[in-house]
Amino acid sequence: KAGVTQTPRYLIKTRGQQVTLSCSPISGHRSVSWYQQTPGQGLQFLFEYFSETQRNKGNFPGRFSGRQFSNSRSEMNVSTLELGDSALYLCASSLKGAPMNTEAFFGQGTRLTVV
Amino acid sequence: GQQLNQSPQSMFIQEGEDVSMNCTSSSIFNTWLWYKQEPGEGPVLLIALYKAGELTSNGRLTAQFGITRKDSFLNISASIPSDVGIYFCAGQLNTGGFKTIFGAGTRLFVKA
Repeated sequence: KAGVTQTPRYLIKTRGQQVTLSCSPISGHRSVSWYQQTPGQGLQFLFEYFSETQRNKGNFPGRFSGRQFSNSRSEMNVSTLELGDSALYLCASSLKGAPMNTEAFFGQGTRLTVV
Repeated sequence: GQQLNQSPQSMFIQEGEDVSMNCTSSSIFNTWLWYKQEPGEGPVLLIALYKAGELTSNGRLTAQFGITRKDSFLNISASIPSDVGIYFCAGQLNTGGFKTIFGAGTRLFVKA
């Protein structure tokens, strides 16, 4: 059974550019969450999608957006990149939606470097 | 907002020793999760806890969901060098969707 797949693994962008990251969840999983991981801030929740709808959102500026497709694949977009956006972006998928509690399984992440 | 306090921040231990780390919060969580992350990889789920008071083991790992639902601990018995990594606790809120809050992590070093 394939795990969570994130592409690309590594990315270098210039300040002001925009970037799109992709996440394919485990087959059958309908909930996809995105996180930003930095040495200083740890793992910060960005947003969660279920059945193409954003259900939860963390405290990030509007430059961070996402979407989910009918096949549960998700994309995350960051516009007008800043140096501080350099981080490991992790995607996690979960099998069930609310109200069931369920485990989240992570991909390997996309390492974004903004120069 | 919700925050998790994870301690200790780092641990340096000898192979064979037992390890204990914990997370506390002022908020109540529906689920507690423990993950391990190695360099260049995403976090890997170790143990999931769903009920207050629940004690669950996974090999040499044991974790408990606190009675108050505001804390959890993870124990590793008889540590080995491959236990090295960063261990994260995570509290999960079910607010019509999933919102997972992570602790800052405990960095574990094991000396052979």
